[in-house]
Amino acid sequence: KQEVTQIPAALSVPEGENLVLNCSFTDSAIYNLQWFRQDPGKGLTSLLLIQSSQREQTSGRLNASLDKSSGRSTLYIAASQPGDSATYLCAVVDTGRRALTFGSGTRLQVQP
Amino acid sequence: GAGVSQSPSNKVTEKGKDVELRCDPISGHTALYWYRQSLGQGLEFLIYFQGNSAPDKSGLPSDRFSAERTGGSVSTLTIQRTQQEDSAVYLCASSFGQGTYNEQFFGPGTRLTVL
Repeated sequence: KQEVTQIPAALSVPEGENLVLNCSFTDSAIYNLQWFRQDPGKGLTSLLLIQSSQREQTSGRLNASLDKSSGRSTLYIAASQPGDSATYLCAVVDTGRRALTFGSGTRLQVQP
Repeated sequence: GAGVSQSPSNKVTEKGKDVELRCDPISGHTALYWYRQSLGQGLEFLIYFQGNSAPDKSGLPSDRFSAERTGGSVSTLTIQRTQQEDSAVYLCASSFGQGTYNEQFFGPGTRLTVL
């Protein structure tokens, strides 16, 4: 059974710092990996999707990498801003399934 | 274009009552998913619909939970004889469908409180 782990569980940084959020998964047979952002009391906003054949994806200040063989992904946020404060969730779609398996998230706070 | 919409946004019910939650996927998306987010369990999959295929119900926690999707679009999640442990945020997502590029887009959720 696929298990997704995110480290750290919480992170507080001053504005302007570059930061890395980590995600690991136990079964490397995945179709893709998706990073989401969740603001308090809101739904999930898709940030980046990396297909299993890709190594990384970039969107603005966000860069996500995927090392499928080692079961790891990182989300890099450059020049963090207070508006980046949210919970970041990593999720994978396993081969043979279509549903996402989620990690428990990293709660990020960027201090102004 | 419009995103995934869900209604109601909040639902408070008494233990033992039945509830229906609605999801309108993004137009043109053939795949629809229901997930549940609760404090103790995180985000967990409930059920998945793809076109006219039989749904994947492997995540439903009990036979009190059921869902249907009419006309390949709108979906309703029904919880019968609600229990306090059913209190959670129920999230719906949709995607273009099969294939590796099936980015899922989520609605705002329905917060269910069972008293």
